[in-house]
Amino acid sequence: KQEVTQIPAALSVPEGENLVLNCSFTDSAIYNLQWFRQDPGKGLTSLLLIQSSQREQTSGRLNASLDKSSGRSTLYIAASQPGDSATYLCAVSNAGKSTFGDGTTLTVKP
Amino acid sequence: GAGVSQSPRYKVAKRGQDVALRCDPISGHVSLFWYQQALGQGPEFLTYFQNEAQLDKSGLPSDRFFAERPEGSVSTLKIQRTQQEDSAVYLCASSPDRGRVNTEAFFGQGTRLTVV
Repeated sequence: KQEVTQIPAALSVPEGENLVLNCSFTDSAIYNLQWFRQDPGKGLTSLLLIQSSQREQTSGRLNASLDKSSGRSTLYIAASQPGDSATYLCAVSNAGKSTFGDGTTLTVKP
Repeated sequence: GAGVSQSPRYKVAKRGQDVALRCDPISGHVSLFWYQQALGQGPEFLTYFQNEAQLDKSGLPSDRFFAERPEGSVSTLKIQRTQQEDSAVYLCASSPDRGRVNTEAFFGQGTRLTVV
């Protein structure tokens, strides 16, 4: 059974810092890995999708990497802003369904 | 519509009541997923449709949970005889392909169910 772990569970940083969120998964037989953002009381917003054959994806200040063989992904956020405060979830997909971690709750202080 | 739409946004049910949650996926999306999210946790998979076919229902927690997508578009998640442990946010997602490579899932805002 696939298990996804996200570390740390919570993170608080001052504005402007670069930061890394970690995601690990137990079964490397995945189709893709997706990073999401969730604001309180809201649904999930897709940030980046990495196919199993890819190593990384970039969008603006965000960069996600994937090392399928070791079961790890990182989400790098550059020059963090207060508006980045949210919960970040990673999910691995196989045969239709996705398995999620419990998220990292990020607080960026002005 | 522009995105995945779920209704109602909030539902309060008395224990034992039946509820029905609706999901309107993005037009033309083949795959549709239901997830259950408890407070402070990541979403847990419930069930998956490809068009009108329910290909995976392994995540449904009990036979009180039933999902359908009769015409391959709108889907309904029904919970019979609700219990307090059913209180959660129910998320629907759709994707344009057949659930394999290149699947980017788009999520709705969710329905927050509270059973009292």
